[in-house]
Amino acid sequence: NAGVTQTPKFRILKIGQSMTLQCTQDMNHNYMYWYRQDPGMGLKLIYYSVGAGITDKGEVPNGYNVSRSTTEDFPLRLELAAPSQTSVYFCATSLGGESETQYFGPGTRLLVL
Amino acid sequence: GQNIDQPTEMTATEGAIVQINCTYQTSGFNGLFWYQQHAGEAPTFLSYNVLDGLEEKGRFSSFLSRSKGYSYLLLKELQMKDSASYLCAVLDSNYQLIWGAGTKLIIKP
Repeated sequence: NAGVTQTPKFRILKIGQSMTLQCTQDMNHNYMYWYRQDPGMGLKLIYYSVGAGITDKGEVPNGYNVSRSTTEDFPLRLELAAPSQTSVYFCATSLGGESETQYFGPGTRLLVL
Repeated sequence: GQNIDQPTEMTATEGAIVQINCTYQTSGFNGLFWYQQHAGEAPTFLSYNVLDGLEEKGRFSSFLSRSKGYSYLLLKELQMKDSASYLCAVLDSNYQLIWGAGTKLIIKP
């Protein structure tokens, strides 16, 4: 089992460009999350999903969009990249319910210039 | 607002014991997690406390006091590979995780 995979590992974007960060899991977990991690800061929740077809905003959703058409995939879309979106992005999954142990993908490092 | 406080950085010696503290103020409480994150890698789960008291797991133990809004992670017999950041996170009343900024632990030989 691969667990949680993310692509790409690293990307440089120009201001105003768009891109999609991919996240795929083979753990059959219902819950999926997108976080960003900035230096010296805690993980910030961007969007989450409790199952296919259901998504909801987290703490910092502005500038991002998500979709969840299948249990396995939860892509994160940046439409108009800004320097403030330079960060490390982590996708995570959990079974859901009270046992909220989250399993993280390896992360995508994004630099917006 | 919701707040999780941890020391930014700690230094300890190989073979010693270190205690990393976490205090929290959140809207509701449904459990507290500790995660380990090596530099450039993803966080990995260490422990989960929902009731007061000490949970022991090998060299790592985690303690919780809900009345004081306080937890600590205790690492014994420190090894060089324990050099990492340790993240405290609280599950709030909406079952969303609120994360602390993490404590960078430096182990010296």
